[in-house]
This record gives sequence, C-alpha cells and structure tokens, in this order.
Amino acid sequence: GQNIDQPTEMTATEGAIVQINCTYQTSGFNGLFWYQQHAGEAPTFLSYNVLDGLEEKGRFSSFLSRSKGYSYLLLKELQMKDSASYLCAVRGLPNQAGTALIFGKGTTLSVSS
Amino acid sequence: DAMVIQNPRYQVTQFGKPVTLSCSQTLNHNVMYWYQQKSSQAPKLLFHYYDKDFNNEADTPDNFQSRRPNTSFCFLDIRSPGLGDAAMYLCATSRDSRGGNQPQHFGDGTRLSIL
Repeated sequence: GQNIDQPTEMTATEGAIVQINCTYQTSGFNGLFWYQQHAGEAPTFLSYNVLDGLEEKGRFSSFLSRSKGYSYLLLKELQMKDSASYLCAVRGLPNQAGTALIFGKGTTLSVSS
Repeated sequence: DAMVIQNPRYQVTQFGKPVTLSCSQTLNHNVMYWYQQKSSQAPKLLFHYYDKDFNNEADTPDNFQSRRPNTSFCFLDIRSPGLGDAAMYLCATSRDSRGGNQPQHFGDGTRLSIL
C-alpha cells in the first residue's frame, strides 16, 4: 500500500523555527516534494529531494532519509505569511505511462505574532 | 508569465447536469494532470496525460473523463455530478520524461459546487 503521514496541525510564533515531519511507505521511490498551499489556492512547489541529505533554499530546507522513509521541511525565521498547509508528496517508480505524485493530507501551520 | 490557467475559478452545477472544467498552459509541458481535492484532504490524482497518452487511475470513477485536444489544453468532464463530487479540482503540468522527477506546476484550481 501507499501511505504518507504528516502531523495535521502545528503552531509557531513569528521568528521561530519549525520542523514539519513526513514519513512514507510507498511501492517504489523516485523523489519527494514539498508544496505550500494557502487556503483556497493552488499548491506551490517548495523543494525536492531524491538523494539523502539536506537541501537548503533560503529560509526553507528539506531533508530526506530514504532508508527510514522520512523527510522533514524546516522553516526558519517564520513570518505570518508562512501560515499555510504544507504538503509532502512522493513520486513512485516509473510505470509504463510515467509517474504521478502521492500526496499526504498536509500539515496546517499557524504562525502567530 | 508562463503559467497554468484554470477556468472558471468557481463553478456551480446541478445534480446530474454535465459540467466541463478547463485548463490551459503556456509552459509547453508535455504532462498534464487532474487532481481532486476535498476539504482538509490531500489532492487525489484522477488521471494524467503523458503527451497524448491518457492514464486513468484505477479508482477514478467512470463519471470522470478527460480530453486533451492539444499540448496546451486539457478538459475534465463530469458526466453526471453527484453531491460527493463537490471539491476543488486542480490542474497541474510538468515537463517530464518517463520516470522523470520534475516538479508539477499547479493552476489556481476550480472549486465545484453541486446544487
């Protein structure tokens, strides 16, 4: 089966650091994506990991451990505009037609002042 | 700016009345996807086109169909919408080879309501 787990909700204050975890069990692995989705809007791409380790992109970093089926998204210097849902998505192994993303349910992050 | 455009943003239809949602892209991406996202749930892939090849997910109801007349446009047809089909429908594109790993770019979505 395919399963992606994330915490449902998290809260943090402006200027803080928050880590959003994601664990996955999928039939094959060809990369993990993090997306940000504000309420009523489309998901926007944040980061991509296919090899173990940390990828840094400004205030956002993402980490992957394939052996543990684990990733996290790290957000530094939190701002109010970071309040959103954060979706972890895994790409499976290529099939005959190509690959598609399996999404987690998302973690709703609320940033307060 | 190159982008993925979905029309309309909000669509209201009657129970059982066919409805079509549209998606266009200026990214010249070869893969186009349709997702259904219900409140507080993950986006769920309905189907995707890899170039002209249509790929239906196993659990996508027969009520949902898609057309891709050319690279730029893709349509989602719901033949007989039921109350359970009320959701946000997201179109996404990517430039990918088979087994590729490129990010998907999403449109703003169409929120479908059923009366």
